[in-house]
Order: sequence, then structure tokens, then C-alpha cells
Amino acid sequence: QKEVEQDPGPLSVPEGAIVSLNCTYSNSAFQYFMWYRQYSRKGPELLMYTYSSGNKEDGRFTAQVDKSSKYISLFIRDSQPSDSATYLCAMRAILTGGGNKLTFGTGTQLKVEL
Amino acid sequence: DAGVTQSPTHLIKTRGQHVTLRCSPISGHKSVSWYQQVLGQGPQFIFQYYEKEERGRGNFPDRFSARQFPNYSSELNVNALLLGDSALYLCASSRAGTGAAGEPQHFGDGTRLSIL
Repeated sequence: QKEVEQDPGPLSVPEGAIVSLNCTYSNSAFQYFMWYRQYSRKGPELLMYTYSSGNKEDGRFTAQVDKSSKYISLFIRDSQPSDSATYLCAMRAILTGGGNKLTFGTGTQLKVEL
Repeated sequence: DAGVTQSPTHLIKTRGQHVTLRCSPISGHKSVSWYQQVLGQGPQFIFQYYEKEERGRGNFPDRFSARQFPNYSSELNVNALLLGDSALYLCASSRAGTGAAGEPQHFGDGTRLSIL
């Protein structure tokens, strides 16, 4: 079983729709939770960064974390064609040497159609 | 401000060769991490360096090595290249790199490595 599970999609929605993207995880050591957006042939771009359970909003994006259920979500309101990309969830754990690493989901490919 | 910069952008090598990839972190960032992203998958952690010391290593063979320089830039070296090493190699930087400090990692656009 993977530490982080994410549906790869593809997910296709009409412009203006609300998009819901989800990840589940199994490692209780994960402390910080992130969502990255990755366009084709580009590196991941940080969208949201959260620590505690609950909601965090930034413009059209809302990140939700439920540590008790080991479940995180990203909601995109009023989706636009420019939101078409792959969305990666990532989780951070502290390493034994004191460093930290990110563990990513597979990524969900989203297409917003006109 | 410039983001994380990586060079080269693309690279084609043959099996058995050696490759060196380079990364310059965001100004003020002291931690650099390397990830491998195979097509259709999420990035996989290879190394983390902070203040020129290795702070973490992922599940990769000893053919992979890295180092960080006094100016916080970093190199990833891969020896004896295999076909399976074909991937996008990503570098990420953050201000701090140790403990529970809540510092997000910011990524460059990567080096696309193709092995023939």
C-alpha cells in the first residue's frame, strides 16, 4: 500500500464548476500538507500549505485537512481553463537525521473545458 | 526575485554514462532537495542537503550522489546510467531544512534526462 493515495483521473469539468481533489494517507508522522499544481513540462508550483486540521482559503482555492481520517482535499471554485493541469498532494515528515522530505501522491490530471 | 534554477533543461545520455545536474536555490534559501519524477507519477525524494550536509536520503542506489556548495547551490550526480533513470529531475529549495520548522519547498522546472 502506498503512503499517499490519489486518484490519477483524468477529471474533466465544465468552466465555472467546483472541483474537488482528494488524497488519503496512512503515515501518522506526516505533519504538513501541501497542494502543488504542475503544468506540462514545468515544475510543481506551490498552491496551498497547511499544518492543522480544518480549512484554509486562498482566493478560489480551499484546502481541507482531516487528520483523524487521514484525508486531505483541495477545492477549486469557479474553475477556469487555465486551471487545467496536474494537481499533486504532498505531505511532509521529519527524517531521523533531522531533515525532512515530501511524499507525493500520483497526481490528478484536471481539464477544465469551455 | 529569481526562483529555483536548474541546468541543463534537457539532457540525452547513453547507458553506462555519468551525468551531473545543477541547481541554484532561491536567494536566502539554505536547503536543497532533489526529487525524481517518472512520467505519470509524483516526484520521489532522493536527497536533502542543508548547510552543506546531507540531512536525508531516499530509497535510491549508491549510483546517485549529491553535494551542496558554500553558496547553497547543489549538484546531483548519477553514475552508470540505466534506461530506468530516464525521468524529470527536480530541485526544491526552502529557507530551513531541519526539524519541525514549517518551511514550504519551492521547485524548479527540472532537468529532463533521457537515457538511450
